[in-house]
Amino acid sequence: AQTVTQSQPEMSVQEAETVTLSCTYDTSESDYYLFWYKQPPSRQMILVIRQEAYKQQNATENRFSVNFQKAAKSFSLKISDSQLGDAAMYFCAYRSGDSNYQLIWGAGTKLIIKP
Amino acid sequence: ETGVTQSPTHLIKTRGQQVTLRCSSQSGHNTVSWYQQALGQGPQFIFQYYREEENGRGNFPPRFSGLQFPNYSSELNVNALELDDSALYLCASSSTGTGHLRMQYFGPGTRLTVT
Repeated sequence: AQTVTQSQPEMSVQEAETVTLSCTYDTSESDYYLFWYKQPPSRQMILVIRQEAYKQQNATENRFSVNFQKAAKSFSLKISDSQLGDAAMYFCAYRSGDSNYQLIWGAGTKLIIKP
Repeated sequence: ETGVTQSPTHLIKTRGQQVTLRCSSQSGHNTVSWYQQALGQGPQFIFQYYREEENGRGNFPPRFSGLQFPNYSSELNVNALELDDSALYLCASSSTGTGHLRMQYFGPGTRLTVT
């Protein structure tokens, strides 16, 4: 069975600085997708960035980028120029590439932005 | 905003009672997934519905059941409520197809408290 592990329950960063959130996963599949979701106090899960396993190039979305290390099964999220609005819970999630596409989630990392 | 809506926002029930939670999918989406998120944890997959039939189920007992309607809206029913059922229940809609077309878009959730 696939598992997702986020080993940092809480991280803090100074506004405008850069922070990296860690995620590791375990799978025997070769076709899968990885995601970072943000959950602010409003509770709604918001997709931050996604990565297809077959792509070697790391995904980037504005200030958000990932470091995808397939052999090490590592998928970290880098947030550059942190803003107060980035404060939230961040969840790493895995999805198999086959027809049953449920998401498997990590326990989350709480990101605190210091003004 | 994702276009996925859930009702009610909050709900308080007594142990042993039954509850129905509702979800309206984003326009054009034909698949609905339900997740349970206990306080301080990542979401856990309950089940998924595609074209009105259950298309996958997580490790949840049969007292968790669902429906999907012809307009692709969905219900989650929980019978014989237990204290451990207290959680945020998230609904996510998606469409069939390859890769990114299966992206899941989340509603704001329903907070269920069982006393």
